[in-house]
Amino acid sequence: EAQVTQNPRYLITVTGKKLTVTCSQNMNHEYMSWYRQDPGLGLRQIYYSMNVEVTDKGDVPEGYKVSRKEKRNFPLILESPSPNQTSLYFCASSTPRGGTNTDTQYFGPGTRLTVL
Amino acid sequence: AQSVTQLDSHVSVSEGTPVLLRCNYSSSYSPSLFWYVQHPNKGLQLLLKYTSAATLVKGINGFEAEFKKSETSFHLTKPSAHMSDAAEYFCVVSLTTDSWGKLQFGAGTQVVVTP
Repeated sequence: EAQVTQNPRYLITVTGKKLTVTCSQNMNHEYMSWYRQDPGLGLRQIYYSMNVEVTDKGDVPEGYKVSRKEKRNFPLILESPSPNQTSLYFCASSTPRGGTNTDTQYFGPGTRLTVL
Repeated sequence: AQSVTQLDSHVSVSEGTPVLLRCNYSSSYSPSLFWYVQHPNKGLQLLLKYTSAATLVKGINGFEAEFKKSETSFHLTKPSAHMSDAAEYFCVVSLTTDSWGKLQFGAGTQVVVTP
């Protein structure tokens, strides 16, 4: 089954304690992205990756790091989380570049993060 | 610079009546445009995607959208609303020439369907 998995699904942590949210896809997609969703703001892209070792900033990259060492995995790292990073996070993967109207983007189930 | 604006934050329709969700974009080139749906406590699902092919794009669940360059619009429509269409809808523009790179989401339109 084609899917994007995220772990953990729920996380409560404290300010300054480093954490990693994992994202994995089983569709051999080149593109992967991280988004955060906040009430009234819609989704905002944090980082995206076009392929292994190729990443770029989205709209709100401050306070986040990513890495893409393998095609299937795209972890999101918060080195020193702060309360303003409390949010719902989504990972997504997409079919290869140059897609037609039939290609699509798959989203993970989301990770709800609370930073106290 | 590219951006996307959803003109209505909330839309209420009766079951069986048409749905219209409005989206305007600004772009220095012909962008890729998308509509996504998010049902309560669920992830996002792509409804349809425009990538400079046919200007009328048909998506899943009976939705379609028309790309109008002269009006810089990409409105989403459905002829007859169903209760299961109650959800939040996002219009999205690609900020790069490759469709799946940097994406910017609109603020969303919450759709309520009444019996």
